[in-house]
Amino acid sequence: QSALTQPRSVSGSPGQSVTISCTGTSSDVGAYNYVSWYQHHPGKAPKFMIYDVDKRPSGVPDRFSGSKSGNTASLTVSGLQSEDEADYYCCSYAGTYTWVFGGGTKLTVL
Amino acid sequence: EVQVVESGGGLVQPGDSLRLSCVASGFTFNRYWMRWVRQAPGKGLEWVANIKQDGSEKYYVDSVKGRFTISRDNAKNSLYLQMDNLRAEDTAVYYCATGYCTSDACYYGFEYWGQGTLVTVSS
Repeated sequence: QSALTQPRSVSGSPGQSVTISCTGTSSDVGAYNYVSWYQHHPGKAPKFMIYDVDKRPSGVPDRFSGSKSGNTASLTVSGLQSEDEADYYCCSYAGTYTWVFGGGTKLTVL
Repeated sequence: EVQVVESGGGLVQPGDSLRLSCVASGFTFNRYWMRWVRQAPGKGLEWVANIKQDGSEKYYVDSVKGRFTISRDNAKNSLYLQMDNLRAEDTAVYYCATGYCTSDACYYGFEYWGQGTLVTVSS
């Protein structure tokens, strides 16, 4: 149950696109198409952004998209806006109703 | 409006016990798996425990097995986390979260979250 690996920080200018990677193993990210992503503004409740690798819950803008290749999942934020500045966490199902999160990535909008 | 509100956090000494509560409203509580997730100071999120809709199945991260117990009371729309033999490394904000369900089906994910309750374990 080791944490998934995410870059500590990424940044981009308004209107640009950024991609956050999330690397796991063949026991979690590589084994299941159950990767989800969360946006977290410190002090607030995390927000559910992506599930099943690339699906968006109702209400999440289509600027947010997910993908996966092998043991690495990715979240892409297009058309960056100031309100996108937050911490982002990936999460993968790891079998037998257990879950593993990533260490988190701080997205800065320059 | 969906609301998820945790309570019960506080400052305790190593070896002490604490019981966290989570009250939910605005959705059909007994339709959802429920989960606890924590965030230690300066660290990322960590899944702690899951409980099935009817309470019949419970799962834990290895570091809390044998010390923490998750439970629920569907009549009260409430989730609990009994934490025994607490350690310094259990210091964290604890979040209550739901699974993810649409009108048609339930999926893997953490849909609704509370704002968390802080547990500090220190002598």
